[in-house]
Amino acid sequence: GENVEQHPSTLSVQEGDSAVIKCTYSDSASNYFPWYKQELGKGPQLIIDIRSNVGEKKDQRIAVTLNKTAKHFSLHITETQPEDSAVYFCAARELDMRFGAGTRLTVKP
Amino acid sequence: KAGVTQTPRYLIKTRGQQVTLSCSPISGHRSVSWYQQTPGQGLQFLFEYFSETQRNKGNFPGRFSGRQFSNSRSEMNVSTLELGDSALYLCASSLAGRGWNTGELFFGEGSRLTVL
Repeated sequence: GENVEQHPSTLSVQEGDSAVIKCTYSDSASNYFPWYKQELGKGPQLIIDIRSNVGEKKDQRIAVTLNKTAKHFSLHITETQPEDSAVYFCAARELDMRFGAGTRLTVKP
Repeated sequence: KAGVTQTPRYLIKTRGQQVTLSCSPISGHRSVSWYQQTPGQGLQFLFEYFSETQRNKGNFPGRFSGRQFSNSRSEMNVSTLELGDSALYLCASSLAGRGWNTGELFFGEGSRLTVL
């Protein structure tokens, strides 16, 4: 089955800086790559996603890039704010959705 | 529109017991997936159900089972509980049909199981 690796496991940035989280996947048949944000005590919530026929997608301060050849995709958050502090998960779907181990992002005010 | 509802939210069991967790998906969603979340392991895929049929299964022992009812509500069961089964169990629903899935998963808040 699909194997998704995510780095780094923890990330600390100053408010206003950018944050980048990277993931690789193993199954070249995967065609959907979402990113989820999980706040304490809550279930993960989708923040942005990208499909395999697109190389980049942006939504305000959040962007995702996909390199199908290298089988990796990244989440970019610009102008970080304290409320961006959470655990972020990447995922890849072919038949079912497989998740990375997560990145704990801390934004220091 | 109501979100994904999971019950119970918290429960404590002892080794050897069994547990049943329930999930009500978003209205109109026919696909339900279950995940186990533990610190450092992320979300591990357990299984996915669609129209009362298990469509995919993760790499978990047979002690973990599930089912889906005609109204799309789903249950998962863990028998002969072990200490390592302590985790947050997340249910997610998605809009899907036979052979297709829009992709986005909508998660519930989870059932936190503690095994003593």
